[in-house]
Amino acid sequence: QVQLQESGPGLVKPSETLSLTCTVSGGSINSYYWNWIRQPPGKGLEWIGYIHYSGSTNYNPSLKSRVTISVDTSKNQFSLTLNSVTAADTAVFYCARVPSGSYSQFDTWGQGTLVTVSS
Amino acid sequence: DIQMTQSPSSLSASVGDRVTITCRASQFISSYLNWYQQKPGKAPKLLIYAASSLQSGVPSRFSGSGSGTDFTFTISSLQPEDFATYYCQQSYSTPRTFGQGTKVEIK
Repeated sequence: QVQLQESGPGLVKPSETLSLTCTVSGGSINSYYWNWIRQPPGKGLEWIGYIHYSGSTNYNPSLKSRVTISVDTSKNQFSLTLNSVTAADTAVFYCARVPSGSYSQFDTWGQGTLVTVSS
Repeated sequence: DIQMTQSPSSLSASVGDRVTITCRASQFISSYLNWYQQKPGKAPKLLIYAASSLQSGVPSRFSGSGSGTDFTFTISSLQPEDFATYYCQQSYSTPRTFGQGTKVEIK
């Protein structure tokens, strides 16, 4: 059974870059869309964007100018970078999988990692 | 962006009750509507996809219906482990968007 695990710093300073990695285990990164979703403390869910294993990407326009998602198929990992962070970017960040040819549902999620933006 | 509006925002119910949550999309989304359950401190879990398809391993007391812009999520007989927050999400177009959530609490 495939599992996803987020990793990266839990604390980032304002104006700096947030970087997270999601490691896919128990299955291949091929033939899926790989997503990042975030949830500010006590609030709802916001989709950040996805990358296809082939490398094509799609980002939320609200974050597009600051976001990059990349994939490393040799390591079965994909990554998120978010530039110029502010306190408003403090959130639990989840990685999630979408099967190709599906209704684009997020069928598998990582456990999430809290990133706090603070000096 | 497609706006997703859930109602109610919260509800109180007892074990064994039938619970219904509605989700309305700001524009046509066909059947590209998914439902998730989230418990405190945990990641969301997919329950229903394509408006009415039950995800593998999910109990049959959960169901979904609707198409176009109006959707319904039902728990036929609420169990103690079902107290959680439920989100709808559209996958018709990007950016993917979620409803604000419905918190199901114990009466």
